[in-house]
Amino acid sequence: DAGVIQSPRHEVTEMGQEVTLRCKPISGHNSLFWYRQTMMRGLELLIYFNNNVPIDDSGMPEDRFSAKMPNASFSTLKIQPSEPRDSAVYFCASSFSGGSTDTQYFGPGTRLTVL
Amino acid sequence: DAKTTQPTSMDCAEGRAANLPCNHSTISGNEYVYWYRQIHSQGPQYIIHGLKNNETNEMASLIITEDRKSSTLILPHATLRDTAVYYCIVRVGHSNSGYALNFGKGTSLLVTP
Repeated sequence: DAGVIQSPRHEVTEMGQEVTLRCKPISGHNSLFWYRQTMMRGLELLIYFNNNVPIDDSGMPEDRFSAKMPNASFSTLKIQPSEPRDSAVYFCASSFSGGSTDTQYFGPGTRLTVL
Repeated sequence: DAKTTQPTSMDCAEGRAANLPCNHSTISGNEYVYWYRQIHSQGPQYIIHGLKNNETNEMASLIITEDRKSSTLILPHATLRDTAVYYCIVRVGHSNSGYALNFGKGTSLLVTP
């Protein structure tokens, strides 16, 4: 299994530009999570989906952030317009929910720098 | 979710056992103890989890006290590659609709030669 795949691995953009981060979860998993990690705030949940439906988006900072999961094998996190304070590492994770446990498996992350 | 308390940092000599403690005095009866670690510049990695019995897998052992208010993750023979931040997380065991993880600050483990 290839694990959770994220792209791009690194993104450098200028303030005001649109940024789209992509995630392919592990095949067969039905829950997908977007986390953000910064030095100040650590790892924090942004949003998660179950069966392609958003379940909890309370961690999404503001309207500039949006996430979609059009099908079971793909999700995007979009920031428009981007700001320097959005600079962070963004992780995608997936799990199978419905069994005895639902261990989350993380991708390698996307390091975003907004200048 | 129950709150967890971990030491900020720990050192361990290579080849020795690393014992990482975690306090979770407000844990509920249906909550499990999960451990993840994050090696520098990588995504978090699942290590082990347990409810009330001690657990062991190829990576580590998890010892949970009888009252379940604390636990210890044991890396039996630490290597330099075990240098990472270790997160102790308390959460319900499973959910049909998924369950997010609350990572906290974790313990930064440094394994030295």
